[in-house]
Amino acid sequence: SQTIHQWPATLVQPVGSPLSLECTVEGTSNPNLYWYRQAAGRGLQLLFYSVGIGQISSEVPQNLSASRPQDRQFILSSKKLLLSDSGFYLCAWRKAQTDTQYFGPGTRLTVL
Amino acid sequence: QQQVKQSPQSLIVQKGGISIINCAYENTAFDYFPWYQQFPGKGPALLIAIRPDVSEKKEGRFTISFNKSAKQFSLHIMDSQPGDSATYFCAARRGSTLGRLYFGRGTQLTVWP
Repeated sequence: SQTIHQWPATLVQPVGSPLSLECTVEGTSNPNLYWYRQAAGRGLQLLFYSVGIGQISSEVPQNLSASRPQDRQFILSSKKLLLSDSGFYLCAWRKAQTDTQYFGPGTRLTVL
Repeated sequence: QQQVKQSPQSLIVQKGGISIINCAYENTAFDYFPWYQQFPGKGPALLIAIRPDVSEKKEGRFTISFNKSAKQFSLHIMDSQPGDSATYFCAARRGSTLGRLYFGRGTQLTVWP
């Protein structure tokens, strides 16, 4: 069976510090991968998606970047965090050409 | 621009009652409409989904009603239980190539015992 992991589960970072969030999927190959941010009352905002290694599409220009160094690994980064980067970050995957997206447990990021 | 509009923002229902959440969309190219359930501090989980060639889909106490001409779809939770208290998101997808989902802003459901 397939499993999606995210870490860390929670993170408190000062403004201006770097960020690295990791997402890993097990039990499948060549998944489509997605990064979302969830802010209170605003639903889920798609940040990045990837259909393969090194292939990243950005939905919203901002202070964040994403990379996919391995088939089942998706990383969300920032060089300098802003207060507005606080939120709940969710990674999701789906098998290519199928319907369902499966979400990870999320990372709660607080920028102080 | 919000591609999928969801209402109400919050909903309080008595145990045993029917919970109804509504969503509307504009893009007729959407071909897949899932509903996700999210508990506090957890990732969303797929609850039920429908394609536009079907007007209704039922799974247990959960039913999606789909009105293609009105470009609306809704989630009905029959015999609502306290354990159903969660945030519900509707979504829509345009084509299966990239699987990009457009989400509504969510409905926080509280079921009173």
